Amino acid sequence: DAKTTQPTSMDCAEGRAANLPCNHSTISGNEYVYWYRQIHSQGPQYIIHGLKNNETNEMASLIITEDRKSSTLILPHATLRDTAVYYCIVRTQGGSEKLVFGKGTKLTVNP
Amino acid sequence: NAGVTQTPKFRILKIGQSMTLQCTQDMNHNYMYWYRQDPGMGLKLIYYSVGAGITDKGEVPNGYNVSRSTTEDFPLRLELAAPSQTSVYFCASSSQPPPTGNTIYFGEGSWLTVV
Repeated sequence: DAKTTQPTSMDCAEGRAANLPCNHSTISGNEYVYWYRQIHSQGPQYIIHGLKNNETNEMASLIITEDRKSSTLILPHATLRDTAVYYCIVRTQGGSEKLVFGKGTKLTVNP
Repeated sequence: NAGVTQTPKFRILKIGQSMTLQCTQDMNHNYMYWYRQDPGMGLKLIYYSVGAGITDKGEVPNGYNVSRSTTEDFPLRLELAAPSQTSVYFCASSSQPPPTGNTIYFGEGSWLTVV
């Protein structure tokens, strides 16, 4: 499986941008990077995904480095409701349909 | 829209008992998944299915069984409940497998305690 590495926890002030890094140095050329988040006691929620170009939607922006070995999820104006565990995921190799989650980053947005 | 629906939401089981967690989706998705999440930990894939009649093991399949007789339903069965199976269980579905770009939709979770 392609592995991802994320910091265990991060803090961010309300109203500021939250930048969550992810390393995926073994990612293959046809693998996408997905970001999900899980607010306490709820099911994970899709945020954004990308292959090699930067992506933006109403929730966040995704910046993928040119070598695709790392990416950053950006929440432009973090609110208290963005406090959650954020998972960076890449598809497993070998044609499998498995989607494997790591431990994620616990983001705490402080007032 | 109902999306992915799991039942029950909460259940307490005695050691050795059996039960089935039900999962149904109304989005006509081919791909369905079962995950478990232990306190403070990430999600671990138990089983997944790429379509009716087809299932495969994930990371932690021991102690569980699944079936996929219809596109809509993907029940997870615990045959002999053990305390190690105390966890929150999430069912999920997607129309295509990652990484073709489609998102995965999760249910609200089922809290299971084995005593």
